[in-house]
Amino acid sequence: DAGVIQSPRHEVTEMGQEVTLRCKPISGHNSLFWYRQTMMRGLELLIYFNNNVPIDDSGMPEDRFSAKMPNASFSTLKIQPSEPRDSAVYFCASSIYRDGRLEQYFGPGTRLTVT
Amino acid sequence: RKEVEQDPGPFNVPEGATVAFNCTYSNSASQSFFWYRQDCRKEPKLLMSVYSSGNEDGRFTAQLNRASQYISLLIRDSKLSDSATYLCVVKTGGFKTIFGAGTRLFVKA
Repeated sequence: DAGVIQSPRHEVTEMGQEVTLRCKPISGHNSLFWYRQTMMRGLELLIYFNNNVPIDDSGMPEDRFSAKMPNASFSTLKIQPSEPRDSAVYFCASSIYRDGRLEQYFGPGTRLTVT
Repeated sequence: RKEVEQDPGPFNVPEGATVAFNCTYSNSASQSFFWYRQDCRKEPKLLMSVYSSGNEDGRFTAQLNRASQYISLLIRDSKLSDSATYLCVVKTGGFKTIFGAGTRLFVKA
């Protein structure tokens, strides 16, 4: 079975440019999460969706970040304008309830470098 | 205080050793608990869920102490391939999950 798919795997962009990260969750999973990971801050939850509806976006750092999930098989995380401090690995994860527990499965991540 | 705290390590152990990691959480209403493993430059992967009665999966044993608000992971007979960062994960209400910063393990021959 295909796991969570993210694209691009690597992105290098200049400060001020718009960046769009994409995620395709595992089929049948109805929750989707966006995380950011840096050495300094570890893995941070940015936003999560349930049944395509944003539930909690309190982790989104500021208005430059936005996320959408137009359907069950696709989500985007957009940064506009990007800044060097946005450089990080961005993970998308989808989840399913199993034995009453929410198990998350991560995509391979997008390594973003903003110069 | 962080919501989920782990000893960052690193733990350096020889092959065959037994090693234990602890993790504490601050929200007493936390509902579910997990251990994830993350290899260098890879995504986190679910290692095991942690059940109230404790559970075992091969060489790995996880335990939960709700009264003291900590969970643990025990690895027996360590292998070189166990070298990774181990992330403690706590789920609070709804779908929100909090990851610890991770404990790094190096198993050497």
